[in-house]
Amino acid sequence: AQSVTQLDSQVPVFEEAPVELRCNYSSSVSVYLFWYVQYPNQGLQLLLKYLSGSTLVESINGFEAEFNKSQTSFHLRKPSVHISDTAEYFCAVTGGTSYGKLTFGQGTILTVHP
Amino acid sequence: DTGVSQDPRHKITKRGQNVTFRCDPISEHNRLYWYRQTLGQGPEFLTYFQNEAQLEKSRLLSDRFSAERPKGSFSTLEIQRTEQGDSAMYLCASSFPGPSTDTQYFGPGTRLTVL
Repeated sequence: AQSVTQLDSQVPVFEEAPVELRCNYSSSVSVYLFWYVQYPNQGLQLLLKYLSGSTLVESINGFEAEFNKSQTSFHLRKPSVHISDTAEYFCAVTGGTSYGKLTFGQGTILTVHP
Repeated sequence: DTGVSQDPRHKITKRGQNVTFRCDPISEHNRLYWYRQTLGQGPEFLTYFQNEAQLEKSRLLSDRFSAERPKGSFSTLEIQRTEQGDSAMYLCASSFPGPSTDTQYFGPGTRLTVL
């Protein structure tokens, strides 16, 4: 079975500060990793994904995540956040016998203060 | 293409009633997934279809829940004899298998409140 742990339920930061949202996973097989974002009153949107190749993946709005197999982590980072980044962020994993089915973490609420 | 759509967006019902939700996936996506999200939690997998075949069901999907995708296009999720514990956001996602894995695109969800 696979599992995902998001280590922080809430992360408050000031605008233009850096942020890191932590995600650790557990799996006995190769995995594919995703970060989804959910803005208030909206559905889940794919932010970025790791499938294979370079362990550093980037999104179009400045977020990046690094797949670390030895530490079983896929932390999400942004060097300078904006008010508009306020949302809930979910880390998810799929792979192996659960191919196709996503297992999500509990979510991290990022609140950016002016 | 406007993405995955779900109907209704909100449903309030009394305990014991039956409810049905509809999901229209992105056209040409042959995989369709249902998830349930309760307050403060991440989405939990319920079931998925490849075309019209239901290939996997979670243990969360009790016998009061049934899902169909009769023609391999839209899908319905029915909950019979609703209970207050069924109150949640029901999410639908669709995907088209790629060379290594498929990326799921989510609809806006149906929020169910059972009184």
